[in-house]
Amino acid sequence: ELKVEQNPLFLSMQEEKNYTIYCNYSTTSDRLYWYRQDPGKSLESLFVLLSNGAVKQEGRLMASLDTKARLSTLHITAAVHDLSATYFCGETSGSRLTFGEGTQLTVNP
Amino acid sequence: KAGVTQTPRYLIKTRGQQVTLSCSPISGHRSVSWYQQTPGQGLQFLFEYFSETQRNKGNFPGRFSGRQFSNSRSEMNVSTLELGDSALYLCASSLAFYGYTFGSGTRLTVV
Repeated sequence: ELKVEQNPLFLSMQEEKNYTIYCNYSTTSDRLYWYRQDPGKSLESLFVLLSNGAVKQEGRLMASLDTKARLSTLHITAAVHDLSATYFCGETSGSRLTFGEGTQLTVNP
Repeated sequence: KAGVTQTPRYLIKTRGQQVTLSCSPISGHRSVSWYQQTPGQGLQFLFEYFSETQRNKGNFPGRFSGRQFSNSRSEMNVSTLELGDSALYLCASSLAFYGYTFGSGTRLTVV
């Protein structure tokens, strides 16, 4: 059975600080997804990582994938309040997308 | 281009009733998958359809069923509703696994 573990589950950050969310997954899948969810809203796609060593960046967020370690990271640089949300990573096995528990990020002034 | 459309957005049903939710994928996307999100269980995979065939199914009781039509639109049905079925139901469409685009969801409340 697929298992995706994120840590931390809760993260309270100060603005302008950097931090990393970790995502460990269980299969040999080489596709890893990151999503953002605002309260009461749906999932917004952030990154799709398709191969070992893949790195993608969008604004203050950067995601990377290490398939050998079965680890993906989401790095937040110089956090701002607008980044407050819950972040999910997910992996696929065939057509089934399995998500981690989510990391609830709060950025404080 | 139009995104994934889910209807209705909100629904209140009574225990024992049944409900049907609808999802229209992005044009050209033939895969539609469904997820249940609850505070206790998180995001859980229900099932996935491709070209009218169910390709994958999660660990949910038989009360949860779905189907896909020739135009790729999909419906999911929950019969004999229980209080625990209250959740946000999300539908996602995808093109060859290169990303899943989610709809706005249907918030189901069972009373």
